[in-house]
Amino acid sequence: QKEVEQDPGPLSVPEGAIVSLNCTYSNSAFQYFMWYRQYSRKGPELLMYTYSSGNKEDGRFTAQVDKSSKYISLFIRDSQPSDSATYLCAMKLIGDKIIFGKGTRLHILP
Amino acid sequence: NAGVTQTPKFRVLKTGQSMTLLCAQDMNHEYMYWYRQDPGMGLRLIHYSVGEGTTAKGEVPDGYNVSRLKKQNFLLGLESAAPSQTSVYFCASSPDGGGVTQYFGPGTRLTVL
Repeated sequence: QKEVEQDPGPLSVPEGAIVSLNCTYSNSAFQYFMWYRQYSRKGPELLMYTYSSGNKEDGRFTAQVDKSSKYISLFIRDSQPSDSATYLCAMKLIGDKIIFGKGTRLHILP
Repeated sequence: NAGVTQTPKFRVLKTGQSMTLLCAQDMNHEYMYWYRQDPGMGLRLIHYSVGEGTTAKGEVPDGYNVSRLKKQNFLLGLESAAPSQTSVYFCASSPDGGGVTQYFGPGTRLTVL
């Protein structure tokens, strides 16, 4: 079982819809959970991160961590065509390297 | 603030040739990283540095060497390029030792024929 699993997509949704992106993981010791956004032919950029469990909200974006299910989610409200990108989840232990998911390609249809 | 810059943006090599990729950051970050990104494989850490003069191996270090002679620069070298090293290479820097917040460069697309 891979440490971090992420559906590659592509995921196509109409503009204005709520988007749900998810990752599962196997290592229950992960403490930090990150979401990076990567536009085509660009480097990844950090959207948000959470420490341990719970929710975090930043504008239209909400990150959720469910440690009991080893499952993290990123929700995008009122999705826009500019949200079209690949979204990478990432996780790490304290003092260890980041493990990235393979990314989910998201297309927001105008 | 340019952030993290990478040179060159594109490069085509023949098998056995050598090259150096340059990463520069102007944010005074201590920590710097080199990743490769391949289709279906995600981002994989090649080498990293926790400060000037230090380097350490990541997940896939074979065939690569690095140097961090100046705090703002992190060089990735390929001594004898192989087709398996065809990839997109990203450099990143981080202000924190945990490496949670990483700032990535725009990438270098390398093709080895």
